[in-house]
Amino acid sequence: AQSVTQPDIHITVSEGASLELRCNYSYGATPYLFWYVQSPGQGLQLLLKYFSGDTLVQGIKGFEAEFKRSQSSFNLRKPSVHWSDAAEYFCAVGANQAGTALIFGKGTTLSVSS
Amino acid sequence: NAGVTQTPKFRVLKTGQSMTLLCAQDMNHEYMYWYRQDPGMGLRLIHYSVGEGTTAKGEVPDGYNVSRLKKQNFLLGLESAAPSQTSVYFCASSWGSWGLDGTEAFFGQGTRLTVV
Repeated sequence: AQSVTQPDIHITVSEGASLELRCNYSYGATPYLFWYVQSPGQGLQLLLKYFSGDTLVQGIKGFEAEFKRSQSSFNLRKPSVHWSDAAEYFCAVGANQAGTALIFGKGTTLSVSS
Repeated sequence: NAGVTQTPKFRVLKTGQSMTLLCAQDMNHEYMYWYRQDPGMGLRLIHYSVGEGTTAKGEVPDGYNVSRLKKQNFLLGLESAAPSQTSVYFCASSWGSWGLDGTEAFFGQGTRLTVV
């Protein structure tokens, strides 16, 4: 069965510094991969997704992620973090089965220090 | 354009009480989902629906029932609430299957349920 691991429960980054959030997945075939962000008290918003093709995908709010099949990873990056980026980030994987919903990782909480 | 609307937003139940959470979407989406979110657990799928009149079990279906009598509505029922069902519940909808074609899903704002 597919699964998603986000190794970091909580990360603190200084404002203006770069960010990388890790995500590892387990799935036999080519997965569909997603990153969602959740601000406090809010629902989830899609940041970016990978289906196929270019392994570096661009998302909203200046985020990008790189799919590395050899490492089963889909890490999220941002070159310069803003205080408004403080939120919880979820990596998710979708399987190629009709009707199957996304499987989410447990999330990484990002704090931004000034 | 409301998107995905969940009602109620907050609720406190006593153990053994029943209630229904309503999810309504105005995007004519075929697929709808109910997740629960617990600290340190991420989001776990309770039930989902691939179209009007259909429902299917997800990862953690026990203690919950669902119905999709109308395409735009997906109801989540708790017949006899337990403290273990204290959680934040999120509904989502998508035009296609997340798993099949990676269609973007849209989330509601969540329902915070406390069972005492």
